[in-house]
Amino acid sequence: QKEVEQNSGPLSVPEGAIASLNCTYSDRGSQSFFWYRQYSGKSPELIMSIYSNGDKEDGRFTAQLNKASQYVSLLIRDSQPSDSATYLCAVKGDDKIIFGKGTRLHILP
Amino acid sequence: KAGVTQTPRYLIKTRGQQVTLSCSPISGHRSVSWYQQTPGQGLQFLFEYFSETQRNKGNFPGRFSGRQFSNSRSEMNVSTLELGDSALYLCASSLLTSGGAHEQYFGPGTRLTVT
Repeated sequence: QKEVEQNSGPLSVPEGAIASLNCTYSDRGSQSFFWYRQYSGKSPELIMSIYSNGDKEDGRFTAQLNKASQYVSLLIRDSQPSDSATYLCAVKGDDKIIFGKGTRLHILP
Repeated sequence: KAGVTQTPRYLIKTRGQQVTLSCSPISGHRSVSWYQQTPGQGLQFLFEYFSETQRNKGNFPGRFSGRQFSNSRSEMNVSTLELGDSALYLCASSLLTSGGAHEQYFGPGTRLTVT
């Protein structure tokens, strides 16, 4: 059973600080990794994709991938109240994409 | 470019009935995936269609079925509805790249309530 694990949270972070979200996966053959943001009552929105080891930066977001450790993370710099949402990690191996259950992030004003 | 559209947005059905949900992907996207989202189970993969063919299927009973048309629009059907089928049903479209990347873009979802 291929799995994607995330801490459910809530993760509370002061406004302006760095939020760090983590995800581990079980399928060592996984090739593609995604982070989605989902506001309450809305559908998931793709915010980052990463395919090779290392860091990928996009604005205030940085995705980090370590395939040897089967670990992917998302850093949000200068956290804003609008970043309060559930963040879903998604992993694709040979076939379908598997989603973690998400981490609830709460930015404290 | 228009996003993924899903209809209807809300639906109330009674146990035993059947329901059909519709999804129109982003223009040019030929891959459509369906997910069920519930508070307890999170996002669960139902199936994926590409060029009218089912590519992958999740672990759902045969009451859940789908199809894709030549214009890439997709429908999913749930027969003999059960209370546990109450959920948000999400459709996601994808433009498969030569490298097999699979960035998915979600529609707004259909909220199904079974009473």
